[in-house]
Amino acid sequence: QVQLVESGGGLVKPGGSLRLSCEASGFTISGYSMNWIRQAPGKGLEWVSDISGSSSYSNYAESVKGRFTISRDNAKNALYLQMNSLRAEDTAVYYCATAPILPPYMDVWGKGTTVIVSS
Amino acid sequence: QSVLTQPPSVSGAPGQRVTISCTGSSSNIGAGYDVHWYQQFPGTAPKLLIFGNRNRPSGVPDRFSGSKSGTSASLAITGLQAEDEADYYCQSYDSSLSGVVFGGGTKLTVL
Repeated sequence: QVQLVESGGGLVKPGGSLRLSCEASGFTISGYSMNWIRQAPGKGLEWVSDISGSSSYSNYAESVKGRFTISRDNAKNALYLQMNSLRAEDTAVYYCATAPILPPYMDVWGKGTTVIVSS
Repeated sequence: QSVLTQPPSVSGAPGQRVTISCTGSSSNIGAGYDVHWYQQFPGTAPKLLIFGNRNRPSGVPDRFSGSKSGTSASLAITGLQAEDEADYYCQSYDSSLSGVVFGGGTKLTVL
């Protein structure tokens, strides 16, 4: 069945780095733009970044611009998020999601991976 | 502060109709960008409920409907059921921010 599975979350110290992965199964991601969305504990949804199907463009929320980098490998059917200079406020559950059109809406979501930034 | 404004909470008795508003501005909803809605139960990932202002994905009951007018949008739920108790989020695109924007979320309580 159509599925997205995130991994790579964990506990990291402020200033540290982490790389999240999102692996797709049951479909090929090459036809979709892909998004990362996060949710801090007890808070609402916050869009983080997206990338086009061919990787020709990517966008970032102001809160992560210059620190996070989104990438994808269509051959591996995978999406990534490199997170550097992590801050306490980056603590959240990170979801990846597909977007069938632009501007996007998210039609398939993963279950999320938890990132905790704490000393 | 979210770019799209939703009431923090709404409530209704089983069988009733409730609406959740989503208010934006001239750079997002008012600029003609579509509004989408998601349903989220505690500890789980959001699920697409309405896309393109008023379209329901396969499997979503027709008790859920969406509308949009001017700089606002609404989600209506008729025949409220206990299983509808969840958080609901609206989402659009903002041209000033060049990115996706979400509402702050609305917690629906079924009395």
